Amino acid sequence: AQTVTQSQPEMSVQEAETVTLSCTYDTSESDYYLFWYKQPPSRQMILVIRQEAYKQQNATENRFSVNFQKAAKSFSLKISDSQLGDAAMYFCAYRRFNDYKLSFGAGTTVTVRA
Amino acid sequence: KAGVTQTPRYLIKTRGQQVTLSCSPISGHRSVSWYQQTPGQGLQFLFEYFSETQRNKGNFPGRFSGRQFSNSRSEMNVSTLELGDSALYLCASSSTSGITLGANVLTFGAGSRLTVL
Repeated sequence: AQTVTQSQPEMSVQEAETVTLSCTYDTSESDYYLFWYKQPPSRQMILVIRQEAYKQQNATENRFSVNFQKAAKSFSLKISDSQLGDAAMYFCAYRRFNDYKLSFGAGTTVTVRA
Repeated sequence: KAGVTQTPRYLIKTRGQQVTLSCSPISGHRSVSWYQQTPGQGLQFLFEYFSETQRNKGNFPGRFSGRQFSNSRSEMNVSTLELGDSALYLCASSSTSGITLGANVLTFGAGSRLTVL
């Protein structure tokens, strides 16, 4: 079974600053997908970024970027130029190469200070 | 393009009752998955349906069941409700056009908040 670990229950960042969220996972697979989802108080899960394990290049989506270290099984999310609207719970998720099931971490609550 | 629609958004039930939750996927999406979110257990996979067939099931008791209709709409049912079933139930839909199953992105609905008293 795949395990996803987010070791930071809460993170706080000043508006316009940068924050990095940690995620590690355990798998014996060589090909898989990793995701970061955002869940604001409205509860709707929103995809932030996706990384294919077979791609060495780190994924980037505007102010969001990841640091994917396959050998270390680490997948951190960096939020640059933090905005008030970034305040939410962030979930790291793993998915096998040929499967629909997502395995989620426990989540990290991000607070943005004005 | 309409998103994933879940109904009802909120509901309150008592122990022993049963509940049915509904999910309408994004038009054209044929895969529907259900997840349970609780403060203690986090997000857990319930099941996934494709073309009216359950393809994958999580580690939940038989009281949790689901189905998918020919228009891809899905329902999940929980019978003999227990206090521990109080949770946010999230539905997600996905297309099947990716090069692998895992490549298809899940789009989530806003969830149904179930409270069991």
